[in-house]
Formats: sequence, structure tokens, C-alpha cells
Amino acid sequence: ETGVTQTPRHLVMGMTNKKSLKCEQHLGHNAMYWYKQSAKKPLELMFVYSLEERVENNSVPSRFSPECPNSSHLFLHLHTLQPEDSALYLCASSQAAGGTGRYGELFFGEGSRLTVL
Amino acid sequence: DQQVKQNSPSLSVQEGRISILNCDYTNSMFDYFLWYKKYPAEGPTFLISISSIKDKNEDGRFTVFLNKSAKHLSLHIVPSQPGDSAVYFCVPGENQGGKLIFGQGTELSVKP
Repeated sequence: ETGVTQTPRHLVMGMTNKKSLKCEQHLGHNAMYWYKQSAKKPLELMFVYSLEERVENNSVPSRFSPECPNSSHLFLHLHTLQPEDSALYLCASSQAAGGTGRYGELFFGEGSRLTVL
Repeated sequence: DQQVKQNSPSLSVQEGRISILNCDYTNSMFDYFLWYKKYPAEGPTFLISISSIKDKNEDGRFTVFLNKSAKHLSLHIVPSQPGDSAVYFCVPGENQGGKLIFGQGTELSVKP
């Protein structure tokens, strides 16, 4: 296992469902991120965890709930989503210090494609 | 308030020619600039970076030019290859508590 892995790769859910996206990094990094990519929009930063502590929450609705149990794992819990939440959700990791900046170079997973019906 | 703009959503170039992808920014506090490349159904991958104290950084076929007075940077790919076809994101960042801000991306298509 190398890099950043995300599961599931594809998820279809109804508006009343509860589901979770999982991210695991095998790079020894201590910062992890959730990004959202909607069609025709730039990547939007959702959450940042550094040393398992949430350091950034970019005004994300409460129907998205992140969890970082340790420095290698990051979850995004989803409940009562809306169709406009359909997007590609990307997880990334980095060294929190050093590199090219405070958050360093990002290493992304392949993303979880979410469709909300 | 868009702090970084990639005004060309797409660019088509012939194989062997030069590809030039442009990026404009508004925040003079950015300390470094990254370029990421993204293939369909994959996450972005880091390509090349430049510090704000430099005006050029070269890595093989890829060169980044930075014009701080104009708040403009560009990524040059020469010679362009079909495998370079991807979406390219300009990503500025700050050392002091900043977060990486992604541009809208430019989709490059290199035709054989």
C-alpha cells in the first residue's frame, strides 16, 4: 500500500441516508485534508487536520462531519445530504511543517465520486 | 473573492510545440506557488513549484516563470507531449498560517 487511498471510489446515496467516506495515508504525514470538487468549480478546501486536531473548517454545512482518529486515517461522515452535494471528494495529506510551506506539498487520493439522489 | 485566476479554461496545443498556462493572483502575501496536474478519475499530483523570491524554476520540460510586480505566473511545457494532456491547477500558498488555494484549472489537450 502506498500513498493515499480513498474508499469507496463511487457512492450513490439518498438524501436520508447516512454514509461515510474513508481516507488512509501511508506516507507518515501528520496533516490530512478533505477537498470538494464540483463540476466547473475550483477545488474547495473543506477541512484540515494537523496532528489529529481540526485546524480548519471552511464554513462547511453540518451535514458533513469529519473525524480523524489518528494521523493515518480520516473520515467524512455524511447525513441528510442534498443533490447539490454531489461531487468528487478528495482526501490529501502532507507534512504540517517544512516542505514548501506550513502545509507542505499535498498528496491526493484518487477521490470518492458521490452522487446524492 | 477569487485570489487566484486561471482565465483560460482550456488550451489545445500540437505535439512538440510549447504549452503556456497562465495564472494571475491578487494576494501579494503569497510565499510560494505550486502547479498540480490532474488526470480524469485521479487526484491531483504535484508537478513543480516556485518560491516568491525567485522568478524562474526549471525541471526538465517544465518551467515556471513568476512576475511578482504583475502578480502573474506561467507554466511552460516544451516540448509538449500527448501524455501532458490533463487539467493544470495553479496553487499559491502562504508560509504563515495560509492554506493552499486552488485555481479553477486549465485543461490542456496536446494533439499528436
